[in-house]
Order: sequence, then structure tokens, then C-alpha cells
Amino acid sequence: EAGVTQSPRYAVLQEGQAVSFWCDPISGHDTLYWYQQPRDQGPQLLVYFRDEAVIDNSQLPSDRFSAVRPKGTNSTLKIQSAKQGDTATYLCASSFLRANTGQLYFGEGSKLTVL
Amino acid sequence: QQKVQQSPESLTVSEGAMASLNCTFSDGTSNNFRWYRQHSAKGLEVLVSIFSDGEKEEGRFTAHLNRANLHVSLHIREPQPSDSAVYLCAVSRQGTGSKLSFGKGAKLTVSP
Repeated sequence: EAGVTQSPRYAVLQEGQAVSFWCDPISGHDTLYWYQQPRDQGPQLLVYFRDEAVIDNSQLPSDRFSAVRPKGTNSTLKIQSAKQGDTATYLCASSFLRANTGQLYFGEGSKLTVL
Repeated sequence: QQKVQQSPESLTVSEGAMASLNCTFSDGTSNNFRWYRQHSAKGLEVLVSIFSDGEKEEGRFTAHLNRANLHVSLHIREPQPSDSAVYLCAVSRQGTGSKLSFGKGAKLTVSP
């Protein structure tokens, strides 16, 4: 079974540029999460979806960050006008709610450097 | 908001010696606890999940949970150099959609 796939793996931007990260969850998983992990920190939840609906985006900086999951499968996280403070690894994870295990499966992440 | 703290921040052990990592959490209603391992530039690999007080073993990895003390620990038996990585404690509460709160991580180095 394929795991969670993310792309690109690496991105380097100048401040003010935009970037999009893409995530393909495990087939059949209804819940998808985006986490931000700054260097030497633990992951912090940005947003999560159940199917195509946003369940919680309270930690997503709404002025520059946006996330969509239009068909309840793949998802895109976009950062507009990137800042140096956005330098981090962006992790996507998926889970199957009905399994009731609370188990999340993580991708390898997209590492963003903003110069 | 849930606070998860890990100690020590870094640990060096010799190959074969027991490695022990600690995690405290602030929300006493939490009931899902997981330890993840993260090798450099890699995703998170779940090592052990525990949901009730006591001990849970998965191979060389054993988690101990004491909810009254708001404490969960991870013990690694016979660690090997390939176990050198960052170990992350994650806590959640059932009914929160599996929203995990993570600690900062602990860097383990296993020397041959």
C-alpha cells in the first residue's frame, strides 16, 4: 500500500514569493492534516480536513496561508508572500476516522527555506 | 491549550544500554499517547501507542503511562546506532479528530 506522498520535497524562495505544496494521502483515508515543523521543534497543526470540509484551521495564518482539498482526496497548501519565519518542514498526514485508532500516517515532508 | 514537554532534549547512550525518554502533558483528559521517531529529512514513524495506564511493548520499544502524574515515557532496549534520531511524544484526546499535540522532540545518539 502506498504511503502519504508529498511534493516537492524541497523549496527555496526569496521573501515575497509564493509556493504550493501538494499531498496525496493514503487511499481511503478521509482525514488529512497539514503540520508545520520549524527546525528543532515539534510539528504544529495548521489545518485539517474531513473529506473536503475544513474541520479546524484556527492555527492557519489566514492572511498568507491557504489550504484546499476539493474532492476529499489530494490537498494543496499554498503560502503567498513567504517570510523568513515560514522556514520549516511542512508535513502532511492522513487517517481513517472510522478505524477509531487515532493513528496518523505521515509523509516525508516538504522542506521550505525562505531567504 | 495542551502543553507537551519532553526531557531530556538530547541524550547519548552506548550501543546496548537502555535509553529512556520522558514526556509530560497538561490536559488530564488526554487518552491517546504515541511515540514517533524521525530520522533526518524523513517523515514520522510511529513506534508505540498507549491508551491506558501501565505499560505497552512493541519490540524493543516500551511506553509507560501514568495519567495521574501526567507522564508518559519511552524506553528503548538494546539501542543500536540506527536508532539515532529525534523522538517525538504526541498526545491527543479522543473526540478531537486525532489532533495531535507534539513535544519539541529529544535527539538520541547511540554510539557504537
